[in-house]
Amino acid sequence: QITLVESGPTLVKPTQTLTLTCSFSGFSLRARGVAVGWIRQPPGKALEWLALLSWNGDKRYSPSLKDRLVVSHDTFKNQVVLSLTNVDAVDTGTYFCAHRPPAWLEGFGFWGQGTLVTVSS
Amino acid sequence: NFILTQPHSVSESPGKTVIISCTRSSGSIASNYVQWYQQRPGSSPTTVIFETNQRPSGVPDRFSGSIASSSNSASLTISGLKPEDEADYYCQSSDSRTQVFGGGTKLTVL
Repeated sequence: QITLVESGPTLVKPTQTLTLTCSFSGFSLRARGVAVGWIRQPPGKALEWLALLSWNGDKRYSPSLKDRLVVSHDTFKNQVVLSLTNVDAVDTGTYFCAHRPPAWLEGFGFWGQGTLVTVSS
Repeated sequence: NFILTQPHSVSESPGKTVIISCTRSSGSIASNYVQWYQQRPGSSPTTVIFETNQRPSGVPDRFSGSIASSSNSASLTISGLKPEDEADYYCQSSDSRTQVFGGGTKLTVL
């Protein structure tokens, strides 16, 4: 059974760095074709794709955020970590991580429950 | 970069068929797969269509996906509407380096 759980701070001050962890089970990110993505959703607004980390180490970032985003994989802990620097109020929202099955070329088959982050002083 | 444009809202009666469109601003809609996600209030999104027209296991065949190159758009068709289909629906596609979500469509089942 595949599960993903996002965790991190619920409140972050402007200009700080937000670090979120996606802890997963039921799959290996080293398995061919697997990927983990990060998506966020401001309150009452649409989904926004942030980043994708693939089984072969390939990393892709949203062009509008690529200078502020870093995604990494902790192999031993089965975790994917997302860091977003210099946060602002517009970065407030629910952050989801999601799994792309190896048989899929695109899309996310399993999503975490999301974690709500508020940026405020 | 490109944008995916969806209607803000659609509504239809139970038992009827609804089509939600997703128009790509630049680049061919046929060049990359399109996914569709359903999100009920307070819940995480779930995939109803991946790779343009594939249904994950467990998704009823009332849900189908297609593209129309003439309008550079993708469509999600839901037939035999049920009250539980009421949700927000998002399309998503990609280019060589990035992925993009549409702005979402609120489906109301009257």
